Amino acid sequence: GAVVSQHPSRVICKSGTSVKIECRSLDFQATTMFWYRQFPKQSLMLMATSNEGSKATYEQGVEKDKFLINHASLTLSTLTVTSAHPEDSSFYICSARDEGAVYEQYFGPGTRLTVT
Amino acid sequence: RKEVEQDPGPFNVPEGATVAFNCTYSNSASQSFFWYRQDCRKEPKLLMSVYSSGNEDGRFTAQLNRASQYISLLIRDSKLSDSATYLCVVGYNFNKFYFGSGTKLNVKP
Repeated sequence: GAVVSQHPSRVICKSGTSVKIECRSLDFQATTMFWYRQFPKQSLMLMATSNEGSKATYEQGVEKDKFLINHASLTLSTLTVTSAHPEDSSFYICSARDEGAVYEQYFGPGTRLTVT
Repeated sequence: RKEVEQDPGPFNVPEGATVAFNCTYSNSASQSFFWYRQDCRKEPKLLMSVYSSGNEDGRFTAQLNRASQYISLLIRDSKLSDSATYLCVVGYNFNKFYFGSGTKLNVKP
């Protein structure tokens, strides 16, 4: 099946620093990738849709200047959390859509971000 | 109003029991429907897609009722390994997927 990887799996950073999370589709091309955030005991919340070669589409309430998304190739999207604060601590999960199966998405293993 | 609503549970059932989850969605223009399974602190994994005609995969049966805007998941002969959180997901326009808050299932020996 389709495989999506994320790196790093876990990161601890100090308040005010920036963190970059990578999402890769390993065995398929993904023109569209999605970034989600999940707080404890809550469901996944869509943050933004990442489109290869164009600007990301952000959900209402998500600061585009704080969560920078770059989708430079058909297999890689990155999310950079700029000037991270403790309230940004969360589980960030990406997913990628296989263009051969437009209704389905495959999830990466997630990145647990802790901001101290 | 939330896009997708689920009973959070938990559903505590003995092994071998049959358990059913429901999920309602608010947008009648929704195009795709899924059940995902998420284990603690892991990413969601696709369990099955849901079609108007219903679909079955072994012990799992999913149904879609467009008129009432709900989808259901039935698990027969529950196993200990079925313990997880089950997420209802609704998709619009290929590019938006909304997740329910999940229903937690605990299968006890």
